[in-house]
Amino acid sequence: KQEVTQIPAALSVPEGENLVLNCSFTDSAIYNLQWFRQDPGKGLTSLLLIQSSQREQTSGRLNASLDKSSGRSTLYIAASQPGDSATYLCAVRPDNAGNMLTFGGGTRLMVKP
Amino acid sequence: NAGVTQTPKFQVLKTGQSMTLQCAQDMNHNSMYWYRQDPGMGLRLIYYSASEGTTDKGEVPNGYNVSRLNKREFSLRLESAAPSQTSVYFCASSTHTDTQYFGPGTRLTVL
Repeated sequence: KQEVTQIPAALSVPEGENLVLNCSFTDSAIYNLQWFRQDPGKGLTSLLLIQSSQREQTSGRLNASLDKSSGRSTLYIAASQPGDSATYLCAVRPDNAGNMLTFGGGTRLMVKP
Repeated sequence: NAGVTQTPKFQVLKTGQSMTLQCAQDMNHNSMYWYRQDPGMGLRLIYYSASEGTTDKGEVPNGYNVSRLNKREFSLRLESAAPSQTSVYFCASSTHTDTQYFGPGTRLTVL
């Protein structure tokens, strides 16, 4: 059974810092990996999707990398801003299970002004 | 486009009561999903529907039933609510290959 773990569970940083969020998964047979953002009391918004054949994806100040063989992904946020404060979730889609996602527990990020 | 909509936004039930959570999407997606999110945990899949007319169990289906009413709508029913079903429920939709799009959630408390 696929298990997805995110470390740390919570993170507080001063504005302007570069930071890295970690995601690990136990089964490397994945179709893709996604990073989502969740604001308090809201639904999830997709940030980046990395196909299993890709090593990284970038969107603005966000960069996500994927090392499928070692079961790891990182989300790099450059020059963090208070507006980046949210919970970040990673999710993997297995190779053989349709478009079903297994989620990690999330990292709750607070960026202080 | 409204995207994915869910009703109600909040609900309080007593143990043993029943209710139906409604979900609709206007993106012409074939696949729809129901998840629950508990504190400190990620989302767990309850049921999904890969296409109109089909439904399948996810990781935590016990105590729930679903209906894919048509391509737009996918409902989740609790026949006899239990305190363990207190959670936030999210509906999502997608094409077969694209990312999932999520609704705003329903916050359910069972007393």
